[in-house]
Amino acid sequence: DQQVKQNSPSLSVQEGRISILNCDYTNSMFDYFLWYKKYPAEGPTFLISISSIKDKNEDGRFTVFLNKSAKHLSLHIVPSQPGDSAVYFCAARLFTGNQFYFGTGTSLTVIP
Amino acid sequence: EADIYQTPRYLVIGTGKKITLECSQTMGHDKMYWYQQDPGMELHLIHYSYGVNSTEKGDLSSESTVSRIRTEHFPLTLESARPSHTSQYLCASRGTGGFTEAFFGQGTRLTVV
Repeated sequence: DQQVKQNSPSLSVQEGRISILNCDYTNSMFDYFLWYKKYPAEGPTFLISISSIKDKNEDGRFTVFLNKSAKHLSLHIVPSQPGDSAVYFCAARLFTGNQFYFGTGTSLTVIP
Repeated sequence: EADIYQTPRYLVIGTGKKITLECSQTMGHDKMYWYQQDPGMELHLIHYSYGVNSTEKGDLSSESTVSRIRTEHFPLTLESARPSHTSQYLCASRGTGGFTEAFFGQGTRLTVV
């Protein structure tokens, strides 16, 4: 059973607008969450992470929000740029564990 | 820039061949991972290693094997390739500590014909 879910396979956004990518998880023991960006035929690149003791983490244009009670996290990209067009994977891990659990990804297209 | 490398980037081979996918990292990371990923699907963990001479199978049943004789090297071997093995294979490593991310190589796109 998939423990990390990304229910939107794709998202299109106009350049300059905000992109919001969503992720849900089922295991309440997860305490570290990450977002990765992936281009076709390339490996994922780490974007931003958040620990369960926080509810927000910012890095430049990227902000991740964590809602532990809803078991939900989101990635906000503002302003969106054409170079942001890629597949975004959400991942989660137990602090004491080694395995990362990934969602199925959301393909973001930023339209110029 | 992450220092983790995979070779080859692309590979097309015939059914029944034995292949080894190479993965090396220069970051001194103890933990290394192999994932399999198909379009529209999540990354499935097939093997991981805590350190030298320590390997475990992941959740996804796999007919591959791995070895970890040196910290920096974590090769994956398919003894007899089949068309069902066609996929992208991603190697990753992670340093010590709870809140540390995994760094990925560029992947190997394997096609078995």
